[in-house]
Amino acid sequence: AQRVTQPEKLLSVFKGAPVELKCNYSYSGSPELFWYVQYSRQRLQLLLRHISRESIKGFTADLNKGETSFHLKKPFAQEEDSAMYYCALRLGRGGKLIFGQGTELSVKP
Amino acid sequence: KAGVTQTPRYLIKTRGQQVTLSCSPISGHRSVSWYQQTPGQGLQFLFEYFSETQRNKGNFPGRFSGRQFSNSRSEMNVSTLELGDSALYLCASSLQAGGFDEQFFGPGTRLTVL
Repeated sequence: AQRVTQPEKLLSVFKGAPVELKCNYSYSGSPELFWYVQYSRQRLQLLLRHISRESIKGFTADLNKGETSFHLKKPFAQEEDSAMYYCALRLGRGGKLIFGQGTELSVKP
Repeated sequence: KAGVTQTPRYLIKTRGQQVTLSCSPISGHRSVSWYQQTPGQGLQFLFEYFSETQRNKGNFPGRFSGRQFSNSRSEMNVSTLELGDSALYLCASSLQAGGFDEQFFGPGTRLTVL
């Protein structure tokens, strides 16, 4: 069955420290993976997707098909990065997304 | 450009009742997806509509239904409400289904079932 797993519910780091939010997926097809972010009192929004290979707000994520992972990384965390982060897998055509349970990132000053 | 709007924002119902939630997509967007968010289950896909047709469906009972109108506005209906239906219901719109188009999420409707 298709599944997205984010093993950490909460990740707490100090400002300036590197951060890695883990995401593993289970899918027999060709995966399309995304990271969504929800800042406090704001809507869920797309952060980045593996196809574009962009760096958004200093975050990058590499799809590793061998390890079925799509971890989100940032070399130097900032306080404004504190938010809920969701990894999502798109199934087939259209807009059906399977989300992980989310990881709350807390960046302390 | 106005974002995705959802009405009402908050709703309180009792068990056994039914409820209708509304979602207005961004102008020009033709695809609307619905998600249920709960602390226990997280974000779960309900269904997706494109050009008034259901394109994808999640694993929810038949009590959950939806539709889309010719102006792309969408409604979802839950009949015979159960306590477990208490959740934040999110809708998201995108330009079209098929190829990837970014989904823009609404603020959600918070449903409480007593």
